[in-house]
Amino acid sequence: NAGVMQNPRHLVRRRGQEARLRCSPMKGHSHVYWYRQLPEEGLKFMVYLQKENIIDESGMPKERFSAEFPKEGPSILRIQQVVRGDSAAYFCASSPTGGVTLANYGYTFGSGTRLTVV
Amino acid sequence: KNEVEQSPQNLTAQEGEFITINCSYSVGISALHWLQQHPGGGIVSLFMLSSGKKKHGRLIATINIQEKHSSLHITASHPRDSAVYICAVKETSGSRLTFGEGTQLTVNP
Repeated sequence: NAGVMQNPRHLVRRRGQEARLRCSPMKGHSHVYWYRQLPEEGLKFMVYLQKENIIDESGMPKERFSAEFPKEGPSILRIQQVVRGDSAAYFCASSPTGGVTLANYGYTFGSGTRLTVV
Repeated sequence: KNEVEQSPQNLTAQEGEFITINCSYSVGISALHWLQQHPGGGIVSLFMLSSGKKKHGRLIATINIQEKHSSLHITASHPRDSAVYICAVKETSGSRLTFGEGTQLTVNP
């Protein structure tokens, strides 16, 4: 039972290019969360998705960032026209529910994608 | 003021020492996580707790809901314990986690 899979592990983009980060949740998990860790800073929530729905995107920058979690396939975090300030580690986590009960909370993190904008 | 505060920010210990990392939070929570992050590595969930105490090997986590405080203890510390330890809370409303800034632990041989 593979854990949360993120790819690529490292991504280098030039300013103005697009970055696509992928996250495949654990088997049986239908809830995906994206977090960003800027250099020398703590983790910050970006977006929470269920299959085909964005539940909470209050942590996502209003421009250039978008996220999806289609019925089939991984969740995608997309950053358009990247700037140097987007350089960070982006972590995905999944859970089997939205956390309604503690017993089946099962929050699991991926290894992250380290985005470097040059 | 952050909703989740950790102390200390940095901690250096000698191998074998008993270590305590503290976490205080200001919101109502349904669960608290202790996470471990190695340099350049992913994030590993060490504990998830909502009350009392949990133990796994040399690691012990406690939480006091009334005082809104949790501690992570490491007994007989080892250099391989060197990492950033992060406290994260799941608020009563919503499903996302809110994180502390982390504690950088260095254990010297």
